[in-house]
Amino acid sequence: SAVISQKPSRDICQRGTSLTIQCQVDSQVTMMFWYRQQPGQSLTLIATANQGSEATYESGFVIDKFPISRPNLTFSTLTVSNMSPEDSSIYLCSFSGIYGYTFGSGTRLTVV
Amino acid sequence: AQSVSQHNHHVILSEAASLELGCNYSYGGTVNLFWYVQYPGQHLQLLLKYFSGDPLVKGIKGFEAEFIKSKFSFNLRKPSVQWSDTAEYFCAGVRANNLFFGTGTRLTVIP
Repeated sequence: SAVISQKPSRDICQRGTSLTIQCQVDSQVTMMFWYRQQPGQSLTLIATANQGSEATYESGFVIDKFPISRPNLTFSTLTVSNMSPEDSSIYLCSFSGIYGYTFGSGTRLTVV
Repeated sequence: AQSVSQHNHHVILSEAASLELGCNYSYGGTVNLFWYVQYPGQHLQLLLKYFSGDPLVKGIKGFEAEFIKSKFSFNLRKPSVQWSDTAEYFCAGVRANNLFFGTGTRLTVIP
């Protein structure tokens, strides 16, 4: 099955700054997804990223805050913009394939 | 609303006890259901999935789940838990090609 690599694995950022998270898949995938897992909570879908079109955001998430790029079928980035402590979470990328949904190892973000 | 729900927030068991974690779904049409596990400090791993066919699904590490359409349920089971099964367990379903999760159940296994 395909492998997905996510980086950085963790970061501590100052409020007001932005962080870009990268995900690389070792094969071409049509749909990639970005999730947030706040402390002690379940995963919430942020957006779906398809190559060649704008990402589709779930309710409560907007492009200005979480811009997403999908330049090709193996790569995507999520930027957390103008961060505040409330953005401290684990962010995960995922893709769907014949084996189901595979997740990256996550980026643990702490905003101070 | 299309969703999955997990009613057990925290389950504590002794080693060798049997496990059943509840998951209910609330949508019709094609049903694709999953169970994921997240061990402390680790990323999500797929335990098992149901797309169609045999409603009793065998997964990794001795886990299984049964899809019961009449009860809208997809409960996770294991006949004898081990301390190493201590983790967070998430039921998930698919809606418009998106995977959405239940709130999770924390399992603590006491040696």
